[in-house]
Parts: sequence; C-alpha cells; structure tokens
Amino acid sequence: ILNVEQSPQSLHVQEGDSTNFTCSFPSSNFYALHWYRWETAKSPEALFVMTLNGDEKKKGRISATLNTKEGYSYLYIKGSQPEDSATYLCAPPGTSYDKVIFGPGTSLSVIP
Amino acid sequence: NAGVMQNPRHLVRRRGQEARLRCSPMKGHSHVYWYRQLPEEGLKFMVYLQKENIIDESGMPKERFSAEFPKEGPSILRIQQVVRGDSAAYFCASSPPDRWETGELFFGEGSRLTVL
Repeated sequence: ILNVEQSPQSLHVQEGDSTNFTCSFPSSNFYALHWYRWETAKSPEALFVMTLNGDEKKKGRISATLNTKEGYSYLYIKGSQPEDSATYLCAPPGTSYDKVIFGPGTSLSVIP
Repeated sequence: NAGVMQNPRHLVRRRGQEARLRCSPMKGHSHVYWYRQLPEEGLKFMVYLQKENIIDESGMPKERFSAEFPKEGPSILRIQQVVRGDSAAYFCASSPPDRWETGELFFGEGSRLTVL
C-alpha cells in the first residue's frame, strides 16, 4: 500500500490570499501523480496529471509542480476565491495499471 | 456523453439486510473503481475491476463485501448483512483502457448508504 501524505490537513485563508499545500509520496517506482478537487456534496474532479520530474501544470489560478526524485508535489492557488473552497486530493499510482490510492486530502476554506 | 452514473443515490437499510450499489461507467470506459468515504474521512480504495475481471480487491473487507463488473450491465458493489459501520458514501469512478493517456478518473456522484 502506497503511503501518501498531504499537508496541511486543513487550511483557512482570506479571499485574495495565495496558498499552497503538499503531497508526499514514495519516490521509488514513480509513474504519475494526479491532483483532484472535491467540492462538498459533489464528486471529485481531476485537476492535473503529472508524469515528469520538474513538471509544472497550470489551470487558471491553480498550478502544480512535481519533484519525483524527492517524492513531493506542490499545489498553488493564487488569489484564493470562495469558490476554491474544497478538499484537494493527490494520488500517485504506482504503475499504469495500478489501483489509484488517494491521500487524505487538504481541506481549503476561503473566507470572503 | 453521459457521465458515470450511480444508483441509488441514497439507500437506507436495516441491520442484516443486503445493499446493492450500481455503477454504470462512462461510454467506452472498461475500468471501474469503488471507493468508500466514511464520515469525516477521505476516499478509501476498495476494489478495481475490468469487465469480468477483478484486478485488485485489496481494499475490500474480507467478509460481506463483493464486487462484480459483468460483460453486460453495470458494476455492482454488494454488501451482505449490513451493519451500522457500513454507513458511508460509496463512490464509483471509471477510466478508459488508455488511462495514462487521458490521465484521469471520472467519478459518479456517489451512493449514500445509511444503516439503521
């Protein structure tokens, strides 16, 4: 079983603040890393899939970086908005046909 | 293109009854995953299936739980003799065979099981 850690567990920020959180995973046998956003009462939706060391992906105000050698990925949100409030999950599948294990998530609340 | 469909959305069972949760993957998707979300917890992997084949069931409780994905029809997660601790939201996700090209799982809206 992959040991996936996410920090912090929860985060409260003011609207307009920028924030970031971390996903840590075993660096051996790395294949890919997924980030998902999960809003309350909805289903998780994929944000990014990252495969290469040094990858940087961006979608609007949200971006992510990947370091496969040391086993971590950062997710950044610039100028947080209330609609960014959600739980952000990461998942580093071990192989192309492996099960997808999610980290415990970081719960973000953006206060207007 | 319809998304992943789960039903029922809400299910209430008494202790000892059986619960059957159904998941129809997106069109063209041949892989199905079941996850469980217990209150105040994250998504816990249960089982990963292809049509007519269980690939990985390492997250499934050894007793009372089973899953199938037949050649025709939806994937079914079956819980026999339910207990109060089975109360949770059960999410299904699907992916195409070339998962690592498209890179993502597509989730249904979940089935919420309440055991009285």
